[in-house]
Amino acid sequence: DAKTTQPNSMESNEEEPVHLPCNHSTISGTDYIHWYRQLPSQGPEYVIHGLTSNVNNRMASLAIAEDRKSSTLILHRATLRDAAVYYCILRTIRGNTPLVFGKGTRLSVIA
Amino acid sequence: GAVVSQHPSWVICKSGTSVKIECRSLDFQATTMFWYRQFPKQSLMLMATSNEGSKATYEQGVEKDKFLINHASLTLSTLTVTSAHPEDSSFYICSAREGQGGGQPQHFGDGTRLSIL
Repeated sequence: DAKTTQPNSMESNEEEPVHLPCNHSTISGTDYIHWYRQLPSQGPEYVIHGLTSNVNNRMASLAIAEDRKSSTLILHRATLRDAAVYYCILRTIRGNTPLVFGKGTRLSVIA
Repeated sequence: GAVVSQHPSWVICKSGTSVKIECRSLDFQATTMFWYRQFPKQSLMLMATSNEGSKATYEQGVEKDKFLINHASLTLSTLTVTSAHPEDSSFYICSAREGQGGGQPQHFGDGTRLSIL
């Protein structure tokens, strides 16, 4: 799977929107963009995924650049419970390959 | 939504003991499950892919005789850390996916914290 690049850490104020960037310049046409987050002392949690179009769900929105070389996870209103490590991972459309985790972005939320 | 249950949540045991960790998919069948390990302040590292009814596929550097994986049914995979030593202390996390293909989310258990004294 192609590699992703994320900032090591970000900070946000509570109740403000958060935009978490991810670069994936070597993405192929058959790669899905997945986002997961890991709260302290827990297993990762699925957040959202997309292929080409922007996606919305109850947790977040995913904005995908037109050339697909970058994407942004948007938390519309950060809460203290959103403090976690956020992972952007590419996964090929074919086969049953596992997710391979990078270092992710550690999001801190300030009250 | 899909749930993966992992048991136990934490284990403390003496060096030389073997420890079994169970991973169950509660409301879906998983022909493939994955096992990860995570050391403090590091990311998840894939250890092996567990296939129902066949042998697990281990990542490079992971000792298959040390970390025994059994995937006896479509809802249960187990990881046994044999003759555990302090360096095996880590956070072990299992995962499963409904169906195949890149568009399927992968669901994770809450992890097992293993401490070897």
